[in-house]
Amino acid sequence: KQEVTQIPAALSVPEGENLVLNCSFTDSAIYNLQWFRQDPGKGLTSLLLIQSSQREQTSGRLNASLDKSSGRSTLYIAASQPGDSATYLCASRYNQGGKLIFGQGTELSVKP
Amino acid sequence: GAVVSQHPSRVICKSGTSVKIECRSLDFQATTMFWYRQFPKQSLMLMATSNEGSKATYEQGVEKDKFLINHASLTLSTLTVTSAHPEDSSFYICSAQEGGPYEQYFGPGTRLTVT
Repeated sequence: KQEVTQIPAALSVPEGENLVLNCSFTDSAIYNLQWFRQDPGKGLTSLLLIQSSQREQTSGRLNASLDKSSGRSTLYIAASQPGDSATYLCASRYNQGGKLIFGQGTELSVKP
Repeated sequence: GAVVSQHPSRVICKSGTSVKIECRSLDFQATTMFWYRQFPKQSLMLMATSNEGSKATYEQGVEKDKFLINHASLTLSTLTVTSAHPEDSSFYICSAQEGGPYEQYFGPGTRLTVT
């Protein structure tokens, strides 16, 4: 069964810290993996998309890595800010055009 | 670019009535649209996948006669909750996907409350 797990479920850090969110997937034959951000009561904002042939993607203070052999992806957030507080979701896709399989999310709180 | 809208953002309806939610891709053509449901503090649950001009494919356990999905054009999909009951109250989110690299873009969600 294809499953995605995110650890930790919740994380609280002081402003300015660098942090890492973890995502693991049971089936390493992924097509691509996406990281999303969700603010309370809102839809999802796509942060980064990593294709299976890529090892990492960067956007501003965000860096996502992909290690298919170990079934893991990480989202690195540099110099965290209170505005980064949200739930972060990772999702894997196993074929082009196929459905996303979501993790349960990590609720991040950045304290000023 | 890649903006998806949903309407309405919030709706309250009485038990037994039907509610229609619209999902539009504003600046791209979506070959595939997805409908999700999300309960508080939980992740997204995929309800169905629809391709333009075809019948939707429903996930196991989702009643296709209760949750009617229409994807009549490359920019519009609708979800109709028929004969709504209080247990249908939830946050419904759509997403739209264009061809390669097959990235999904999500709408802002619709909060449905059935009284």
